Amino acid sequence: SQTIHQWPATLVQPVGSPLSLECTVEGTSNPNLYWYRQAAGRGLQLLFYSVGIGQISSEVPQNLSASRPQDRQFILSSKKLLLSDSGFYLCACERNTEAFFGQGTRLTVV
Amino acid sequence: KNEVEQSPQNLTAQEGEFITINCSYSVGISALHWLQQHPGGGIVSLFMLSSGKKKHGRLIATINIQEKHSSLHITASHPRDSAVYICAVMYQGAQKLVFGQGTRLTINP
Repeated sequence: SQTIHQWPATLVQPVGSPLSLECTVEGTSNPNLYWYRQAAGRGLQLLFYSVGIGQISSEVPQNLSASRPQDRQFILSSKKLLLSDSGFYLCACERNTEAFFGQGTRLTVV
Repeated sequence: KNEVEQSPQNLTAQEGEFITINCSYSVGISALHWLQQHPGGGIVSLFMLSSGKKKHGRLIATINIQEKHSSLHITASHPRDSAVYICAVMYQGAQKLVFGQGTRLTINP
């Protein structure tokens, strides 16, 4: 069965520091992968999605970037965090209309 | 305008009540998901639908393709059902899941 590993679960980072959140998928190949962000009290907003290695689509302009160096690895990064980057980040995987979700990372930028 | 609309945004009910949460979308879909998000943030997939109806325990999900509408029902609701319920769709020909804003459900004992 498919599983998603997303880490870390919580993270506190100072403004201006870099960020790297990693998501890996098991049990499937060539999935579509997604990064979502949920600001406090808001719904999930799509940040990036990827349909294959090295293929990244960005949904909203922002301070973040994403990379997919391997088929089942999706990384969310920032060179310099802003206070507004705080939120809950969720990795998701979709394959043949079935969707699976990571446990999320709660990021607090201080 | 969000392409996936959920209603209500917030719902408070007493233990034992029958709960209905609605989801509407705008164009043809290949699949619709109902998800549950607890206060810690983790998301659990409840159902995936492309037609008809599915049941799991006290949860029932239905979808009407013609009306572009889905409902999630909870029978004999319990305080542990308190969570945010999210509808997400995969549009036909698209490659991304689109989420609704979620419905915050609170069941009081």
